[in-house]
Amino acid sequence: GNSVTQMEGPVTLSEEAFLTINCTYTATGYPSLFWYVQYPGEGLQLLLKATKADDKGSNKGFEATYRKETTSFHLEKGSVQVSDSAVYFCALGAYSGAGSYQLTFGKGTKLSVIP
Amino acid sequence: DGGITQSPKYLFRKEGQNVTLSCEQNLNHDAMYWYRQDPGQGLRLIYYSQIVNDFQKGDIAEGYSVSREKKESFPLTVTSAQKNPTAFYLCASRDLGARRTDTQYFGPGTRLTVL
Repeated sequence: GNSVTQMEGPVTLSEEAFLTINCTYTATGYPSLFWYVQYPGEGLQLLLKATKADDKGSNKGFEATYRKETTSFHLEKGSVQVSDSAVYFCALGAYSGAGSYQLTFGKGTKLSVIP
Repeated sequence: DGGITQSPKYLFRKEGQNVTLSCEQNLNHDAMYWYRQDPGQGLRLIYYSQIVNDFQKGDIAEGYSVSREKKESFPLTVTSAQKNPTAFYLCASRDLGARRTDTQYFGPGTRLTVL
């Protein structure tokens, strides 16, 4: 079956530091890949996505590139801010055997940015 | 503003009682989903529906039930058969129509605590 593995947290960084959160996946076919962000006590918000190999998703200074050869979709940001403190989820979207489209999530990585 | 609403934000129930969580969307999306989130875990799919009056079990449907009588509403009932119901519950929806997308949009969640 499909699966997503992302680096365990928590991750603590100083403001303006470089961020990388690793995400690798296992899937048959050609899945879409997503990063969602969850702020404390809230639902998930789509941060960025990529739908095919070599696509780069970007939003709010965050980037991730769909690497089929390494089955990875690592999240990066050049300079984090305190407001980026949240839990980040990597997810894979694909059609199941029953023909329905479903998301498979990683366990999430908690990021804390300190001033 | 279009979006997904879940109510209430916090819910407390005694063990052995059934409880129903509300999910409403005004995005005109066909597909709706219920997920459960536990601390340090990713999201797990409980039920989903792609059309009115039809729904399918997800990975952890036991102890839960749903209905889809209207396109905009997808309530989830946590029954007394659910052995460990305390969790954060998230509802999501996706457009299958003319603006079909692989992206799921999430509500703010309901935190259920069973005492």
